[in-house]
Amino acid sequence: GAVVSQHPSRVICKSGTSVKIECRSLDFQATTMFWYRQFPKQSLMLMATSNEGSKATYEQGVEKDKFLINHASLTLSTLTVTSAHPEDSSFYICSARDVGGGTLYNEQFFGPGTRLTVL
Amino acid sequence: KQEVTQIPAALSVPEGENLVLNCSFTDSAIYNLQWFRQDPGKGLTSLLLIQSSQREQTSGRLNASLDKSSGRSTLYIAASQPGDSATYLCAVFVEYGNKLVFGAGTILRVKS
Repeated sequence: GAVVSQHPSRVICKSGTSVKIECRSLDFQATTMFWYRQFPKQSLMLMATSNEGSKATYEQGVEKDKFLINHASLTLSTLTVTSAHPEDSSFYICSARDVGGGTLYNEQFFGPGTRLTVL
Repeated sequence: KQEVTQIPAALSVPEGENLVLNCSFTDSAIYNLQWFRQDPGKGLTSLLLIQSSQREQTSGRLNASLDKSSGRSTLYIAASQPGDSATYLCAVFVEYGNKLVFGAGTILRVKS
């Protein structure tokens, strides 16, 4: 199957700083990537859909100025949490969709997640 | 608005049992349905993907069925093992909105 990586896997930062999380599709091209947030013992909540070369589409209630998304290439999307606060502490997971056809078409592949802790 | 429900929320079984996890969704306008596994503190591993035109998919000891018209899917795990212990998530890819909608998951524990 296709592989999606995330970096870093874990980050601890001070309140007020910004944190960037990278999501990469390693062996396929992804015109669409998705960013999710997961609180403890809860399911995944979609934050935004990122399309290569265009602005991200944010879900209702997600502040686009706080969660900056950039999808500059077919294999890389970044999520920047600006001016992070303790309530932003969470598990952030990205996924990528292969639109190249074949058996991977229409299936989403998920990264291993990034644990963000804001002190 | 699409809603996905998973039953039971948690399940504890002895090793070797066959078990069924249930998933239901309110809107049948879906492209596909995926079952995922998530280990604590980890990302998601895709187990099975069923396209809307398909009825079931099988992989090893796993079998997933889809009844799109009634909005239901089941994940059948045969001869369960302690290594199967994890949270199992069901998600549907909705025709509108271009996104996956997840259920809350079933926490499975297989006791040795």
